[in-house]
Amino acid sequence: GAVVSQHPSRVICKSGTSVKIECRSLDFQATTMFWYRQFPKQSLMLMATSNEGSKATYEQGVEKDKFLINHASLTLSTLTVTSAHPEDSSFYICSANVAGIENEQFFGPGTRLTVL
Amino acid sequence: AQKITQTQPGMFVQEKEAVTLDCTYDTSDQSYGLFWYKQPSSGEMIFLIYQGSYDEQNATEGRYSLNFQKARKSANLVISASQLGDSAMYFCAMRELETSGSRLTFGEGTQLTVNP
Repeated sequence: GAVVSQHPSRVICKSGTSVKIECRSLDFQATTMFWYRQFPKQSLMLMATSNEGSKATYEQGVEKDKFLINHASLTLSTLTVTSAHPEDSSFYICSANVAGIENEQFFGPGTRLTVL
Repeated sequence: AQKITQTQPGMFVQEKEAVTLDCTYDTSDQSYGLFWYKQPSSGEMIFLIYQGSYDEQNATEGRYSLNFQKARKSANLVISASQLGDSAMYFCAMRELETSGSRLTFGEGTQLTVNP
């Protein structure tokens, strides 16, 4: 199956700093990628849909100025958590699907963010 | 209303036995897809099985089968011959192709523990 990578896998930062997480589709082009957040023992919650070459679509309640998404190419989407606070500590996971193939969606391995 | 409901927060099964994980869904779309993912403690999302709304036969993938009952809007996952490595969180997800495109909506998950 197709491969999606995420970097970094784990990051610890100080409160107030910004953290960038990269999501790459390694062997296919992804016009659309998705960013999820998962708190411990909870489900995945969609934060935003990242569209190549256009603005991301954010879910209700997700601050677009805090979670900046850039989808500059068909293989790369980035999520930047700006001015991170301890409550932003979570597991962030991206996914992508191959256009026109509806029975698969490929997930990255996730990034565990800890804000001190 | 919840779009995906998993009513079993936790399930226990003896090694080598079969187990059914429940999932019900709610959609007005005629065209939709149902997914099951496994999430071990490492956090990665492992795709298990897919069922399209127009598929007449229940999907099967090795030890995994999906008991799709369209009229009841249920898509239960059956794992046969459980193995210790099956212990993980299991998520049911739905893609509503008409209203939501490629995005997935996840249930709350079921934590499966396989006992030796």
